[in-house]
Amino acid sequence: QQQVKQSPQSLIVQKGGISIINCAYENTAFDYFPWYQQFPGKGPALLIAIRPDVSEKKEGRFTISFNKSAKQFSLHIMDSQPGDSATYFCAARPGGTSYGKLTFGQGTILTVHP
Amino acid sequence: ETGVTQSPTHLIKTRGQQVTLRCSSQSGHNTVSWYQQALGQGPQFIFQYYREEENGRGNFPPRFSGLQFPNYSSELNVNALELDDSALYLCASSTRGDSYNEQFFGPGTRLTVL
Repeated sequence: QQQVKQSPQSLIVQKGGISIINCAYENTAFDYFPWYQQFPGKGPALLIAIRPDVSEKKEGRFTISFNKSAKQFSLHIMDSQPGDSATYFCAARPGGTSYGKLTFGQGTILTVHP
Repeated sequence: ETGVTQSPTHLIKTRGQQVTLRCSSQSGHNTVSWYQQALGQGPQFIFQYYREEENGRGNFPPRFSGLQFPNYSSELNVNALELDDSALYLCASSTRGDSYNEQFFGPGTRLTVL
């Protein structure tokens, strides 16, 4: 019940295209859903995050769509650029006193071709 | 503002040895979380420290232990190293009391156990 399932494992997109990564969860106690971007040899960097009281959040070219009833959320990268090539992780955290206990998905390796 | 720093960058140990990894939290942050990231996987939560006490633990054996110091920096200690302990160890800092408790990751320590 603590798992977060992420798909696809890898994704190849042409420059200017839309990249879409999906995640699903089971634990209804999760109340915070961040996305992280990780480049080789670096730690994950927070990209964008959402709480379940909204269905969508947009920051620049990055949008999270959230479907509470389906227990799914997704990351959309508009106008994908070669510099977006990285591994992306969705994550989830329960509310209450479980501060910081992020559960991560398995990751998606995104390659954007020029 | 100084980000999260970790030391050392890389470390090679042999099975059965003990290792200590260090983390300095981002300026203004009072909470430190440790994660283990095996190759090709998402990070897995080890434990979190707040006010120098362990505050939540993932599914890791007691030979994984930690400390937090008054300046909020932290150490991760692993005893009796096993081959499966080879991974990237990530430290993340955050501010407890912040509504999102957003976590900011360091670059990690790459541990190889031979």
